[in-house]
Amino acid sequence: GAVVSQHPSWVICKSGTSVKIECRSLDFQATTMFWYRQFPKQSLMLMATSNEGSKATYEQGVEKDKFLINHASLTLSTLTVTSAHPEDSSFYICSATLEAFFGQGTRLTVV
Amino acid sequence: GQSLEQPSEVTAVEGAIVQINCTYQTSGFYGLSWYQQHDGGAPTFLSYNALDGLEETGRFSSFLSRSDSYGYLLLQELQMKDSASYFCAVRGPFGNEKLTFGTGTRLTIIP
Repeated sequence: GAVVSQHPSWVICKSGTSVKIECRSLDFQATTMFWYRQFPKQSLMLMATSNEGSKATYEQGVEKDKFLINHASLTLSTLTVTSAHPEDSSFYICSATLEAFFGQGTRLTVV
Repeated sequence: GQSLEQPSEVTAVEGAIVQINCTYQTSGFYGLSWYQQHDGGAPTFLSYNALDGLEETGRFSSFLSRSDSYGYLLLQELQMKDSASYFCAVRGPFGNEKLTFGTGTRLTIIP
């Protein structure tokens, strides 16, 4: 079946640095991918919808200049957290279909 | 906007049956989905209801009443591995453009 691969599974970075998270669809093409953020004991919140070959659509309250999304191919979307701060520490999850297939998630810790 | 409410915590006994409720408010309804998420893991798709009634998939069943803006997930023959968080989610509000997740229910199975 379809598989979505997300990398890295966890990352620790220093405050002020940038971190890139990759989301790949392994056996199908995805013109649209979704990025979510989940804080401990909370629900998944959609951050943005990544569109292949065009700009991402960000949800209200999500800073597009801080969370850079690139969807340059039909199998890869990347999320870059720029100038990370401790409050950005969270679990980031991608999906390459609307609802059925999610990546493994990336645990980001900013110190 | 869209909102979905779930009980925050439910405890049930191994081998028993448990029901997790979800009430939603949305300007446009295109289906209700259910997900399971173990600690540290990504969500796993369980079921999807677009029409009223009960959908059964093994030990799990999902019910939808569009007139009541209500659905539930029914888990039978509970096993210890069913201890996890469960989320309902709706598509929309304009169609299949994105998912909005519920507040989540932490299910704890006790021997």
